[in-house]
Amino acid sequence: NAGVMQNPRHLVRRRGQEARLRCSPMKGHSHVYWYRQLPEEGLKFMVYLQKENIIDESGMPKERFSAEFPKEGPSILRIQQVVRGDSAAYFCASSVKGGDQPQHFGDGTRLSIL
Amino acid sequence: SQQGEEDPQALSIQEGENATMNCSYKTSINNLQWYRQNSGRGLVHLILIRSNEREKHSGRLRVTLDTSKKSSSLLITASRAADTASYFCATANAGGTSYGKLTFGQGTILTVHP
Repeated sequence: NAGVMQNPRHLVRRRGQEARLRCSPMKGHSHVYWYRQLPEEGLKFMVYLQKENIIDESGMPKERFSAEFPKEGPSILRIQQVVRGDSAAYFCASSVKGGDQPQHFGDGTRLSIL
Repeated sequence: SQQGEEDPQALSIQEGENATMNCSYKTSINNLQWYRQNSGRGLVHLILIRSNEREKHSGRLRVTLDTSKKSSSLLITASRAADTASYFCATANAGGTSYGKLTFGQGTILTVHP
């Protein structure tokens, strides 16, 4: 019973490069959430996806950030032209369905921008 | 403004003592959840309490919810050194199509000394 798998665990990019973060939800889970955590802070919601659909992207910056959850394969959070302020831990969570269900989190991807 | 603010920010106790953490929020909620995060890891779901519930127990954990005061508390009884972690409350808003989205507080850092 694998949990939520995120890779890579650590990612280093130079300013202007692209970062791709992957998330495989728990088996049987079709709802995926992405959160960002800055040092010493709580998690901030970014986007909520179901298979092939974006349900809520109210927490996503308007530019450079995008997310997808295709029919086959993991969910991808993509950050184009990274800047130093993008340095953070990015967590993915999944649930069986939305609403009043616990969310199961991966161990995150620590993104560092040089 | 923060939805879900924990109090205290940090708590230091001896093994065997009880630890109480509080959480306040601002909007109407569908449910409130508590999570634990060990350093460098993802969040682990502890307990979910729905808006129509007042108290819930799980092992050494006891959660209360007062919707009139928009507050919740997490009590850990007979604490252990392994309970040392950051604890976050998270709320799922009532209504809308995206009530799976969680809003996290800043967290309480709990240190349990052996």
